[in-house]
Amino acid sequence: EAGVTQSPTHLIKTRGQQATLRCSPISGHTSVYWYQQALGLGLQFLLWYDEGEERNRGNFPPRFSGRQFPNYSSELNVNALELEDSALYLCASSLDLATNEKLFFGSGTQLSVL
Amino acid sequence: GQQVMQIPQYQHVQEGEDFTTYCNSSTTLSNIQWYKQRPGGHPVFLIQLVKSGEVKKQKRLTFQFGEAKKNSSLHITATQTTDVGTYFCVSSGSARQLTFGSGTQLTVLP
Repeated sequence: EAGVTQSPTHLIKTRGQQATLRCSPISGHTSVYWYQQALGLGLQFLLWYDEGEERNRGNFPPRFSGRQFPNYSSELNVNALELEDSALYLCASSLDLATNEKLFFGSGTQLSVL
Repeated sequence: GQQVMQIPQYQHVQEGEDFTTYCNSSTTLSNIQWYKQRPGGHPVFLIQLVKSGEVKKQKRLTFQFGEAKKNSSLHITATQTTDVGTYFCVSSGSARQLTFGSGTQLTVLP
């Protein structure tokens, strides 16, 4: 069974540009979560998508946005990039957290903003 | 959202020594999950605790959930170099938002 896949692995952008990160969940998983992990720090919750809808978002500015497609894959878009956006962006999927399901993480996209 | 405090932030141990990380919340938790992230890797699920006072074991790892469901601990007996990584406790809050603790970074010296 294929795990959660993320692309690209690495992304280098300059300040003010836009970044698009992609995530494909495990087959059968309908929920996708995005987390930001700055160097040496914990995971900060960004966004949760389920059945194509944004269900919840963390304490991040509106320039962080995304969407979920009918096949449950997801995109995270970061507009007007700032230096402090440099981080590892992790995507996770789950079957149904309402039944206490666990999260399966992808390997992440390392975003560097110069 | 729900906040979980995790201590210590860093822990260096000699191989063979024991290790414990603690997770504390000011509010009652419905459940708690533990994840491990190896250096350069992504978090991997270890276990979930749901019941008050629950204790679960995985080989050298022992997980506990407090009686009041406000704290949890992970204890590793006789650490090995393969235990190196950051251990996160994760609480389930409203709107199914999982909140990660700040993590404990474990270094095992050979």
